[in-house]
Amino acid sequence: QKEVEQDPGPLSVPEGAIVSLNCTYSNSAFQYFMWYRQYSRKGPELLMYTYSSGNKEDGRFTAQVDKSSKYISLFIRDSQPSDSATYLCAMSGGSQGNLIFGKGTKLSVKP
Amino acid sequence: GEEVAQTPKHLVRGEGQKAKLYCAPIKGHSYVFWYQQVLKNEFKFLISFQNENVFDETGMPKERFSAKCLPNSPCSLEIQATKLEDSAVYFCASSRDRQETQYFGPGTRLLVL
Repeated sequence: QKEVEQDPGPLSVPEGAIVSLNCTYSNSAFQYFMWYRQYSRKGPELLMYTYSSGNKEDGRFTAQVDKSSKYISLFIRDSQPSDSATYLCAMSGGSQGNLIFGKGTKLSVKP
Repeated sequence: GEEVAQTPKHLVRGEGQKAKLYCAPIKGHSYVFWYQQVLKNEFKFLISFQNENVFDETGMPKERFSAKCLPNSPCSLEIQATKLEDSAVYFCASSRDRQETQYFGPGTRLLVL
């Protein structure tokens, strides 16, 4: 079993839809949870950073972490064609700091 | 600088040749991380530095890969005697502290023929 599981999709939604992306993980030492967006042939760009359990909102994006279930989610409201990208969950814990990534979910928002 | 810079953008090498990649972290960031992204978006951690010192090298294939971060110079990742399976995009990221947000560079796309 991989440490971080993420459905690779692809996921296709119409413009304006609410998008739900999620990851599960197995390592209970993870405490820092991130969502990155990666456009084709570009570097990952940080969207959300959460420490421990809880919710965090930033504009159209909401990140949720449920450590008891080892489950994290990213919600995108009023999705736009410019949101079309691959969304990567990443997490870290312990003393090392290196990120463990999910495989990424490819999202396409159709006008 | 305000962004992580990586050079070159693309690198093509014949199998067995050397490849050297460079990374300039964001000014004021103490930590540098190198990751390898292969097909299907798999990210693999290679090595991290705290300033000039190796912090964690558990992901490095030690036989052919080496890395350095020297004062007043870009960090580097060197692959001696490249193999076909080294073809990947190599990303560098930097952060202020090891558990803080990591900011990624644009990557170097290495193709080994």
